[in-house]
Amino acid sequence: EDQVTQSPEALRLQEGESSSLNCSYTVSGLRGLFWYRQDPGKGPEFLFTLYSAGEEKEKERLKATLTKKESFLHITAPKPEDSATYLCAVQNTGGFKTIFGAGTRLFVKA
Amino acid sequence: EPEVTQTPSHQVTQMGQEVILRCVPISNHLYFYWYRQILGQKVEFLVSFYNNEISEKSEIFDDQFSVERPDGSNFTLKIRSTKLEDSAMYFCASRGQRDQPQHFGDGTRLSIL
Repeated sequence: EDQVTQSPEALRLQEGESSSLNCSYTVSGLRGLFWYRQDPGKGPEFLFTLYSAGEEKEKERLKATLTKKESFLHITAPKPEDSATYLCAVQNTGGFKTIFGAGTRLFVKA
Repeated sequence: EPEVTQTPSHQVTQMGQEVILRCVPISNHLYFYWYRQILGQKVEFLVSFYNNEISEKSEIFDDQFSVERPDGSNFTLKIRSTKLEDSAMYFCASRGQRDQPQHFGDGTRLSIL
């Protein structure tokens, strides 16, 4: 059964304090791994898609990496506006559905 | 930038009543989805829709639920005989091609009394 586990559940950082979020996944065949940001009361906002091990994507202070078993979202010098829940999701090659992890709630204090 | 829009933003309904949640996906997208998120829990897949038919559904999506694309722009989720446990945020999403990311609306908060 396809599964996504994210850690930590919550992360509190000072502004400028870099860190990483982890996403471990089990999938029968990976079509794509997705990172989303979700603000309270809003829908998930797309950040990155990763397709194969070794791939990396960057956007501003965020960088996503992928191995055969996990993905990391690295946050460099975060700002308070980066505070949100970050969701990891996978889609397998056999189907249409996307399986989400429970997310990591990030709090960045000024 | 094109976006997915959902209406209403909040729906309050008596238990046992039927509700219809509405979505306007991004115009050139081909794949459509409904998800739900119970307060404090993860986003859960309900159903995917492609080429005017359901392509996949989860065990949550039982006979109580149905989806429809009545015209070229709307995509609806109907919940019959609502229960208290149907209270959740319901998200619609669409994507262009199968391996492209899904784009989500801001959801409809459904409250069953």
